[in-house]
Amino acid sequence: EDQVTQSPEALRLQEGESSSLNCSYTVSGLRGLFWYRQDPGKGPEFLFTLYSAGEEKEKERLKATLTKKESFLHITAPKPEDSATYLCAVQATVSGNTGKLIFGQGTTLQVKP
Amino acid sequence: EAGVTQSPTHLIKTRGQQATLRCSPISGHTSVYWYQQALGLGLQFLLWYDEGEERNRGNFPPRFSGRQFPNYSSELNVNALELEDSALYLCASSNSLTSRWEQYFGPGTRLTVT
Repeated sequence: EDQVTQSPEALRLQEGESSSLNCSYTVSGLRGLFWYRQDPGKGPEFLFTLYSAGEEKEKERLKATLTKKESFLHITAPKPEDSATYLCAVQATVSGNTGKLIFGQGTTLQVKP
Repeated sequence: EAGVTQSPTHLIKTRGQQATLRCSPISGHTSVYWYQQALGLGLQFLLWYDEGEERNRGNFPPRFSGRQFPNYSSELNVNALELEDSALYLCASSNSLTSRWEQYFGPGTRLTVT
């Protein structure tokens, strides 16, 4: 069964304290792995797509990496405005599972000034 | 570029009633997806429409249905509402003509069933 597990569930950082969020996945053929940011009561905001092992993407203080079994979202010198829930999702290539994103439970990040 | 829009923002219904939620995709996107985000359960896939056809369906009962119109906007209908249907319903769109597969989400409709 295709599934996504994110850890930790919650993370508290001081402003400027770098860290990483983990996303472990099992999928029958990976079409893509996606990272989103979600603020309370709002829709998820697209951050990155990773397609193959070894790929990396960067945006401001965020960097996403991908291996064959997991992805990491590295946050460098975070600021309070980076506080949000970060969601990881995969999309499979297997017929019957196409189209849909399978989401992890998310990591809720709080950055204190 | 305008993003995905959803209406209404909030919807309050009583058990047994029907709810209709609407979504307009990003201009140029032909695929629309619906997800349910219930408290503590994460985002669960409901439906995928592309070019007016239902392409995939999640593990939800038949009282969850929808359609896609010729202008690619979409409607989600939930019949015989139950208390556990209370959730944030999210619509997303993507451009199925590219190979990038990113889905862009709208702000959601908060459905409360009393």
